[in-house]
Amino acid sequence: EVQLVESGGGLVQPGRSLKISCAVSGFTFKNYDMAWVCQAPKKGLEWVATITFDGSTTYYRDSVKGRFTISRDNAKSILYLQMDSLRSEDTATYYCVRPGYGGYDYWGQGVMVTVSS
Amino acid sequence: DIQMTQSPSLLSASVGDRVTLNCKASQNIYKNLAWYQQKLGEAPKFLISNANSLQTGIPSRFSGSGSGTDFTLTISSLQPEDFATYFCQQYYSGDTFGAGTKLELK
Repeated sequence: EVQLVESGGGLVQPGRSLKISCAVSGFTFKNYDMAWVCQAPKKGLEWVATITFDGSTTYYRDSVKGRFTISRDNAKSILYLQMDSLRSEDTATYYCVRPGYGGYDYWGQGVMVTVSS
Repeated sequence: DIQMTQSPSLLSASVGDRVTLNCKASQNIYKNLAWYQQKLGEAPKFLISNANSLQTGIPSRFSGSGSGTDFTLTISSLQPEDFATYFCQQYYSGDTFGAGTKLELK
């Protein structure tokens, strides 16, 4: 059974940092690109960042470039998102997702990140 | 950036109804479109890829159609568990989602 389990969310002050994680099981993690998608409260979905299977290439949406860093540990099957210089508009549920053939075929349960003073 | 517009934003229907949800792209995305279902408090569930390819385990009452800029998701006979919010996503250029259609019980 495929499982993606996020952790590390919480309340953080504006300008501070937070690192969230996603532990993956049920498929060969090192063979797949991975991504983060977020959803602000009562809002739609937005792609945040993608990392290639080997970690060699990363992609970010413009609003997080220079502030967020996606990374992975293929030995431990864990995906990370380091979020620096957080803003109130970063408040959202962050989902760890696996890009499939046309869409995201597996999703974690999501982790809430709240940026507020 | 490609914009995705879903309509209607809210749809009221009854069990057994046939419903059609719309998704329009701001430019030609060929068939590079996915559909997701999201229930309250849950992660989205992947329904359809490539505009019309039903994912494994998704009931056959769900179907997708369209290409270019106009797409539809049809549920042939609504079941109680189908009341949820539905999102479309284009992956032709980057990755953008529509704002969603909430399907509620009439």
